[in-house]
Amino acid sequence: DTGVSQNPRHKITKRGQNVTFRCDPISEHNRLYWYRQTLGQGPEFLTYFQNEAQLEKSRLLSDRFSAERPKGSFSTLEIQRTEQGDSAMYLCASSHMNQPQHFGDGTRLSIL
Amino acid sequence: AQKITQTQPGMFVQEKEAVTLDCTYDTSDPSYGLFWYKQPSSGEMIFLIYQGSYDQQNATEGRYSLNFQKARKSANLVISASQLGDSAMYFCAMREAPTNNAGNMLTFGGGTRLMVKP
Repeated sequence: DTGVSQNPRHKITKRGQNVTFRCDPISEHNRLYWYRQTLGQGPEFLTYFQNEAQLEKSRLLSDRFSAERPKGSFSTLEIQRTEQGDSAMYLCASSHMNQPQHFGDGTRLSIL
Repeated sequence: AQKITQTQPGMFVQEKEAVTLDCTYDTSDPSYGLFWYKQPSSGEMIFLIYQGSYDQQNATEGRYSLNFQKARKSANLVISASQLGDSAMYFCAMREAPTNNAGNMLTFGGGTRLMVKP
């Protein structure tokens, strides 16, 4: 069990650029979640997959955000035309059914 | 209304003493789960303990225990024999009953920063 892996750990980009993050869940975990955490706050839910199906999306997930989990294993989160307000830590978690979610180390996004 | 409220932004505790971190929640679902996570300065969220709404006994995991008072809608985390390595942010979270494949996400409180003094 290698834990949830997220890449990159840090991403610095200019406003208006597109960015993509990757999450590799714990193997055999069928559920995968994305959260966003801004400084001094608790994580906020973005979206959730069960296997390859995206079953729930938060209203926080604007049209500029898209997430995929094409083969029910790893997932990608893409942000298009980044804005200053997108600066945050993006956390991925996985679980087996309703078992507790296990989180990765996160990707910290900084928009210049 | 906030679904998860953590009223202590920061707390100090002397090493080897016990500390209680407060969490109150708001839900109308009869079935829900409550979680505590630890987030050190390095950023990873570490799962600590879980309490189901129908569990008869308070959850315990090593030095962690959850003081679950259902009628008061509180789920306080108790850390016994504090260690320097316990210094971190602590988040309380709730999962409400999923319906039609929705509702599996966690709703987090604002967190409590615990600082353990040597």
